[in-house]
Amino acid sequence: GAVVSQHPSRVICKSGTSVKIECRSLDFQATTMFWYRQFPKKSLMLMATSNEGSKATYEQGVEKDKFLINHASLTLSTLTVTSAHPEDSSFYICSASPQGGSPLHFGNGTRLTVT
Amino acid sequence: EDQVTQSPEALRLQEGESSSLNCSYTVSGLRGLFWYRQDPGKGPEFLFTLYSAGEEKEKERLKATLTKKESFLHITAPKPEDSATYLCAGGQGYQKVTFGTGTKLQVIP
Repeated sequence: GAVVSQHPSRVICKSGTSVKIECRSLDFQATTMFWYRQFPKKSLMLMATSNEGSKATYEQGVEKDKFLINHASLTLSTLTVTSAHPEDSSFYICSASPQGGSPLHFGNGTRLTVT
Repeated sequence: EDQVTQSPEALRLQEGESSSLNCSYTVSGLRGLFWYRQDPGKGPEFLFTLYSAGEEKEKERLKATLTKKESFLHITAPKPEDSATYLCAGGQGYQKVTFGTGTKLQVIP
């Protein structure tokens, strides 16, 4: 149980275009999902908390207009990287938990490369 | 500010050579200390949650322990398939947690 699916696993896009990443909870409902960014040899950095039916909460230093988050249903959150630039290239991971007292379960991540 | 520090950064073991990974934390009001395994190009896979000092949990060749300041992940007689990056995380809640930078473990046959 507690499976989180993320799509796509890899994406290459040109500078200036936008990319959408989907995160789905397959066997549970998630009112809250989390989006992380991971750099090589670095910790997972929390970018934002996605809340179903309301606005996302962004961590300090994360541009909300660049990283658009939509939590359209109890099983789907999307992260859109707008006007992507090479510095946005990274590994993006989402997570969710079945209930408040459960640990986080993660998707398999999306490797974004902006050329 | 919550901090989680892991050591060593990398560890290379011979198959069967037991060792321990360290996770030091400074998290006020810690609700849970979590261990994850991450394979290259994948998301972290949940291993353990520890809630209070003195608690221990085991899974196959792995055992996690917790004190008031640190947690250890003991690996007994590791196999090559145990090679991965091991992450620990802690927080005041179960969801919004702070991650360490991980220990990259390589087990050589």
